Amino acid sequence: DTAVSQTPKYLVTQMGNDKSIKCEQNLGHDTMYWYKQDSKKFLKIMFSYNNKELIINETVPNRFSPKSPDKAHLNLHINSLELGDSAVYFCASSRGVRQPQHFGDGTRLSIL
Amino acid sequence: QQPVQSPQAVILREGEDAVINCSSSKALYSVHWYRQKHGEAPVFLMILLKGGEQKGHEKISASFNEKKQQSSLYLTASQLSYSGTYFCGTEPGSSNTGKLIFGQGTTLQVKP
Repeated sequence: DTAVSQTPKYLVTQMGNDKSIKCEQNLGHDTMYWYKQDSKKFLKIMFSYNNKELIINETVPNRFSPKSPDKAHLNLHINSLELGDSAVYFCASSRGVRQPQHFGDGTRLSIL
Repeated sequence: QQPVQSPQAVILREGEDAVINCSSSKALYSVHWYRQKHGEAPVFLMILLKGGEQKGHEKISASFNEKKQQSSLYLTASQLSYSGTYFCGTEPGSSNTGKLIFGQGTTLQVKP
């Protein structure tokens, strides 16, 4: 029943490792997003896909790479993890661009 | 440019009213409001489009002054469930991607 689901919920890993976060939405939405929320609760857009096309690509290190295999899925792969990558990563979706966004529960990433 | 929210934090007693302001230095197409409870995902409250309209959602309403690039969120007769961090997300008028730039958040605590 969950509208926007992310896995895993928690991710604890060592510096230098590569990891992926998966996101799926069952709302039939066309647009999906990745956000990063830091320890000060600042919520920042990273990427957005509309109908599988990348439409927002903010200034993030190229160690971060999104991938949208279909409209219902948006994954985030992170290479060579660094301490500063520790944050909560939220996936969100909306019916289209400029529409209300529905957020997943977040993935809490901790780098040791 | 990140919008500025004020106040940063507010403490209320049940039944009291509060106003949260969001101010941008850029021309805006829309303003979104979200509430995030501790450890949870942001939840959409309402969207205000340019045109100065006011929207309501139970005892929570908002206004958008397009000329001043400001939006205000009004919480009346606050309930314990209103506690959380409120974020405004602004969409620049020049953007057609649905990109939201979030404010730093306003923490609201409602006490019995």
